[in-house]
Amino acid sequence: DVKVTQSSRYLVKRTGEKVFLECVQDMDHENMFWYRQDPGLGLRLIYFSYDVKMKEKGDIPEGYSVSREKKERFSLILESASTNQTSMYLCAIRLAGGTDTQYFGPGTRLTVL
Amino acid sequence: AQSVTQPDIHITVSEGASLELRCNYSYGATPYLFWYVQSPGQGLQLLLKYFSGDTLVQGIKGFEAEFKRSQSSFNLRKPSVHWSDAAEYFCAVGVRSGSARQLTFGSGTQLTVLP
Repeated sequence: DVKVTQSSRYLVKRTGEKVFLECVQDMDHENMFWYRQDPGLGLRLIYFSYDVKMKEKGDIPEGYSVSREKKERFSLILESASTNQTSMYLCAIRLAGGTDTQYFGPGTRLTVL
Repeated sequence: AQSVTQPDIHITVSEGASLELRCNYSYGATPYLFWYVQSPGQGLQLLLKYFSGDTLVQGIKGFEAEFKRSQSSFNLRKPSVHWSDAAEYFCAVGVRSGSARQLTFGSGTQLTVLP
């Protein structure tokens, strides 16, 4: 079974804080993704990575950055958290083989006060 | 640009009734299509997927979906809904973007099941 772990299920931060969201996979998958989910908007892609130290912007990268120093770990960074970044954040991995199937972690619900 | 439309924001059905959730996509090539389900406070779980071949695909939990190229649709169905099916359902299409492939999601359909 594919296992995707996110470091926190719930997180509360203050405006202006630097926030790290961690995603860890248990296998050697190359492709990893960060989404945010908001009511009525579905999932929107923030960033993805297709290998160590490689990253590409998704549809809504503003206000976020990412880090991938090791294959199994993909971090989403909010440099200076703002209230409009209050959301559910989902990490996913894609298996190699070109089938596009993604497997998701349990999500982190971030509240910025 | 590719897009996915789920026209029903919220659907309510009685337990034991049949269910159909609609999904329409816009994509130039033959798409890879997916349905995911999300229970409250959880991540997304893959229900089923279509890549090629038989246009009627079977998934987990008794769900099925039919790909209709002429209608650009991939509707999800279940003949008899159980209370545990109450959740949010997302349709997605796999597309190429830049150097990688990614998924574009619809905005979701919230399913309520009445006893």
